[in-house]
Amino acid sequence: AQSVAQPEDQVNVAEGNPLTVKCTYSVSGNPYLFWYVQYPNRGLQFLLKYITGDNLVKGSYGFEAEFNKSQTSFHLKKPSALVSDSALYFCAVSLGNSGTYKYIFGTGTRLKVLA
Amino acid sequence: GAGVSQSPSNKVTEKGKDVELRCDPISGHTALYWYRQSLGQGLEFLIYFQGNSAPDKSGLPSDRFSAERTGGSVSTLTIQRTQQEDSAVYLCAIPRTGDYNEQFFGPGTRLTVL
Repeated sequence: AQSVAQPEDQVNVAEGNPLTVKCTYSVSGNPYLFWYVQYPNRGLQFLLKYITGDNLVKGSYGFEAEFNKSQTSFHLKKPSALVSDSALYFCAVSLGNSGTYKYIFGTGTRLKVLA
Repeated sequence: GAGVSQSPSNKVTEKGKDVELRCDPISGHTALYWYRQSLGQGLEFLIYFQGNSAPDKSGLPSDRFSAERTGGSVSTLTIQRTQQEDSAVYLCAIPRTGDYNEQFFGPGTRLTVL
């Protein structure tokens, strides 16, 4: 069965420090991978995606993620965290190349950036 | 988001009642998804409509849940005989224009079953 794991319920980081939010996946076939962010009382917003090509993808708000096929991971990173990055982050996978575009989400990681 | 509206934004109902949740995407999108965000289950896929094809209902948790999409636009998700475990935020999504891989989510309907 396809699944996505976000092993940390919460990540705390000091403002200005680098941040990493972890995601691993288990799918058959070639996955398409996504990160979404949810700010308090707001909807899910797209951050970035990996479909094919360069393993390092850059997205909105200075975030980036690296696709690692051997480790089946797609960790979200940012070199210097801002307090405004505090939000709930979701990793997702789809099998778009098989015609199925529905997402399977991880359980979410709450990021708290401390001033 | 601006591309998808959902109504109502909040719905409080009593256990056992039926509810209808509405998703109204901007026109021209043949694909539409429903997801549910709940405390116990995280974000989970419910149902997927693609044009005139039979919908993918594989995520519906029970036969109390049904959805339809009339005229390829508005979709309604109906929950019959609501239970307290149905309390969640129900999200509708459409593909981003020109990119089926990326989904654009509506603001959601928060359902509370008392």
